[in-house]
Amino acid sequence: VVMTQSPLSAPVILGQPASISCTSSLSLVYSNGKTHLSWFHQRPGQSPRRLIYEVSKRDSGVPDRFSGSGSGTYFTLKISRVEAEDVGVYYCMQGTHLPISFGQGTRLEIK
Amino acid sequence: EVQLVESGGASVQPGGSLRLSCAASGFTFSSYWMFWVRQTPERGLVWVSRINNDGSSAWYEDSVRGRFTLSRDNAKNTLYLQMNSLRAEDTAVYYCARDPDTSNKIDYWGQGTLVTVSS
Repeated sequence: VVMTQSPLSAPVILGQPASISCTSSLSLVYSNGKTHLSWFHQRPGQSPRRLIYEVSKRDSGVPDRFSGSGSGTYFTLKISRVEAEDVGVYYCMQGTHLPISFGQGTRLEIK
Repeated sequence: EVQLVESGGASVQPGGSLRLSCAASGFTFSSYWMFWVRQTPERGLVWVSRINNDGSSAWYEDSVRGRFTLSRDNAKNTLYLQMNSLRAEDTAVYYCARDPDTSNKIDYWGQGTLVTVSS
């Protein structure tokens, strides 16, 4: 399954919202009705950290300014008010179809 | 606290071998399926392999099947990736990662270990 993110680069102003989209080449609805779409954040020199799983469920400790939405083949990660610590690369990942696959990444930078 | 610590990365010549290890702590290792994922600037994040909780089954990405072998020692809380016949295109940072509920999701990642294949 090909995961396509846009934009690939997102310059944003501190305090302003940001949005990243992720499109899959196949529906990500699993046989159990769940949708295995996750979002990760990777800071330079660090490993990815999961933010969102099953489209819209936030991981423990993730600020509520992060939200995920979507269904089927189109998904969105939104940051309501960007903070300096949010810089880095964001990846979507699908686990519905084997092999699991990732988007190419969206680099969030402060304008 | 869940911790995954990879080791074993090194610089090796084409055709050589390496064994990566991933030491797990902070959770009941024997209950979880585990992954290896590799990352390069050119290809991004790519799934390499997956193993079930008791080590009886493993799955591989097409380009590594037959060259890489994934195994685990649940008594030692350690995951292993034996990498043989290494190629330049295997150069990457290798991460081990945990599947939280046997559903091909990833929740925790290790810090990664760098493998460089070059003559």
